[in-house]
Amino acid sequence: DARVTQTPRHKVTEMGQEVTMRCQPILGHNTVFWYRQTMMQGLELLAYFRNRAPLDDSGMPKDRFSAEMPDATLATLKIQPSEPRDSAVYFCASAPGGGVGKLFFGSGTQLSVL
Amino acid sequence: GEDVEQSLFLSVREGDSSVINCTYTDSSSTYLYWYKQEPGAGLQLLTYIFSNMDMKQDQRLTVLLNKKDKHLSLRIADTQTGDSAIYFCAESKTASKLTFGTGTRLQVTL
Repeated sequence: DARVTQTPRHKVTEMGQEVTMRCQPILGHNTVFWYRQTMMQGLELLAYFRNRAPLDDSGMPKDRFSAEMPDATLATLKIQPSEPRDSAVYFCASAPGGGVGKLFFGSGTQLSVL
Repeated sequence: GEDVEQSLFLSVREGDSSVINCTYTDSSSTYLYWYKQEPGAGLQLLTYIFSNMDMKQDQRLTVLLNKKDKHLSLRIADTQTGDSAIYFCAESKTASKLTFGTGTRLQVTL
């Protein structure tokens, strides 16, 4: 069964530390999204890529967040330095090109910044 | 910008029908979606509808779209305990960048 894989599933860190979250999209999917889910804000789109090129990262705080796709099988989201307000569940999703908006979500990384 | 709104919570008895409602603001939305999120998991697409359609039925699911009022609903017939989850409405102009609603938590009681 093809699925989006995210690591780690859970991360607890202290304020000021660097956090790196990784995502392996489904093979053959050319669009990759990063979403953040919190109780207060719901699901927010942070960034998305098509064919590894960033298309939109307007939802991402640029001073501390960065998103990259070093190759077609890996997407990363980094926070440096992390802050308590970054505590959330971070989801990666991938989609095939030319689709109807069917996103395949990973299980998420639950991040707690103390 | 785009805005998608849903009520936060719905409780129904097993066997009854559930109706989850959603309103959106962008009249140029082309695709409208319903996603389901179970505890500890990511979202899964349940169904979608094009903006030129009024209704779509898929087994126990019926989607109704009132484009004039920018109102979308999801009806689940014969609701089961396994339907307990958070349901997200979403819209998109291009089928790539989706804007999600706040989610409706459906609780199914015996």
